[in-house]
Amino acid sequence: AQSVTQLDSQVPVFEEAPVELRCNYSSSVSVYLFWYVQYPNQGLQLLLKYLSGSTLVKGINGFEAEFNKSQTSFHLRKPSVHISDTAEYFCAVRWAGGTSYGKLTFGQGTILTVHP
Amino acid sequence: GAVVSQHPSRVICKSGTSVKIECRSLDFQATTMFWYRQFPKQSLMLMATSNEGSKATYEQGVEKDKFLINHASLTLSTLTVTSAHPEDSSFYICSAIKPGTSSSYNSPLHFGNGTRLTVT
Repeated sequence: AQSVTQLDSQVPVFEEAPVELRCNYSSSVSVYLFWYVQYPNQGLQLLLKYLSGSTLVKGINGFEAEFNKSQTSFHLRKPSVHISDTAEYFCAVRWAGGTSYGKLTFGQGTILTVHP
Repeated sequence: GAVVSQHPSRVICKSGTSVKIECRSLDFQATTMFWYRQFPKQSLMLMATSNEGSKATYEQGVEKDKFLINHASLTLSTLTVTSAHPEDSSFYICSAIKPGTSSSYNSPLHFGNGTRLTVT
């Protein structure tokens, strides 16, 4: 079965430090990749997406992610985090073709906690 | 941008009662909406795909008689948790794809803010 793995359930960092949240997926067939952020008791907000083209994609709030096909990874990075970045982050994959129309498979989530 | 509204944001009900959750696309027509369930400290699990004018498609293991989905119009899908029990307590989130983009495959989902259901 196709799956998405976020390797770290929790990532604590200090303010202004860089951060990387890791995401790997199970298949190397055509995929569309997304990162979402969720604040407590809220829905998900799209941070960025990879559809095709440049493997480095930039999103909102200073986040970026790099698609690595050979390693089937899509890690999220930010060079300098703020307190307001404290939230849970989800990596999601949509596999092209078949019956996967519209469906997203989510990773387990990574709770990013930014300390002052 | 696209906005999906979900109501109520929080509901507490007694065991055995039914609860209806609404999901509306505010500035676009959504032929397809998705219902997710999120347990504490866990990821989102797709429950069902809601298609306007036809029956919903449920994921394996989801009881279709317990989680009734109605997509009666292009801007409204409802999820009714029937005869709710404490184990149904969870965070339910709906989402929709905004049509008209180049491909629905690469269109991101737009999410509602979720409904926290507590069954006592």
